[in-house]
Amino acid sequence: DTEVTQTPKHLVMGMTNKKSLKCEQHMGHRAMYWYKQKAKKPPELMFVYSYEKLSINESVPSRFSPECPNSSLLNLHLHALQPEDSALYLCASSQDRDNTEAFFGQGTRLTVV
Amino acid sequence: GENVGLHLPTLSVQEGDNSIINCAYSNSASDYFIWYKQESGKGPQFIIDIRSNMDKRQGQRVTVLLNKTVKHLSLQIAATQPGDSAVYFCAENGSNAGNMLTFGGGTRLMVKP
Repeated sequence: DTEVTQTPKHLVMGMTNKKSLKCEQHMGHRAMYWYKQKAKKPPELMFVYSYEKLSINESVPSRFSPECPNSSLLNLHLHALQPEDSALYLCASSQDRDNTEAFFGQGTRLTVV
Repeated sequence: GENVGLHLPTLSVQEGDNSIINCAYSNSASDYFIWYKQESGKGPQFIIDIRSNMDKRQGQRVTVLLNKTVKHLSLQIAATQPGDSAVYFCAENGSNAGNMLTFGGGTRLMVKP
């Protein structure tokens, strides 16, 4: 199994809603990542988890809250988002943080209305 | 800040021809480079990687060349096929303190039948 699975594939939420994005991998990878990708732009790193601990937060606003319940799962909790937060949110994993070949999921297309 | 960028935002080639996608990077500390392919509505897909102790690496129909002197990376695709149409990103690991991947701006490859 070399897949990173993200759910949901699409999400539309209001600015007062609370929602969560989910990511799962069963490759035994110990590093997991959240990236944000705007249209026609490259992915931008948001968070890095290494061995289930948050190791990098790229100055992401607190309305985005990551969580790593176990080594296979990564969540991104969303609250009070703005329309400019609409983007493709990508989850990735790699064997460890220093092994930089990252496998990406298909992403969640988020629209904030 | 230092960044990774691409020379050509769009490349159009005839089916069967060879394609060359270029990437310039500015951080001399970068020692690991990856090419990703991203099709519409999907996450980035790993194509090939190269470490700074090499100047060439070949895969199936793809070759990556690294010129550390001029900080230039290229992806060559032999006998380009319609299924190669996508956006291609180079990524490198030297632009942040955590050695996380930083993506270049992307090149769209369009293959004409």
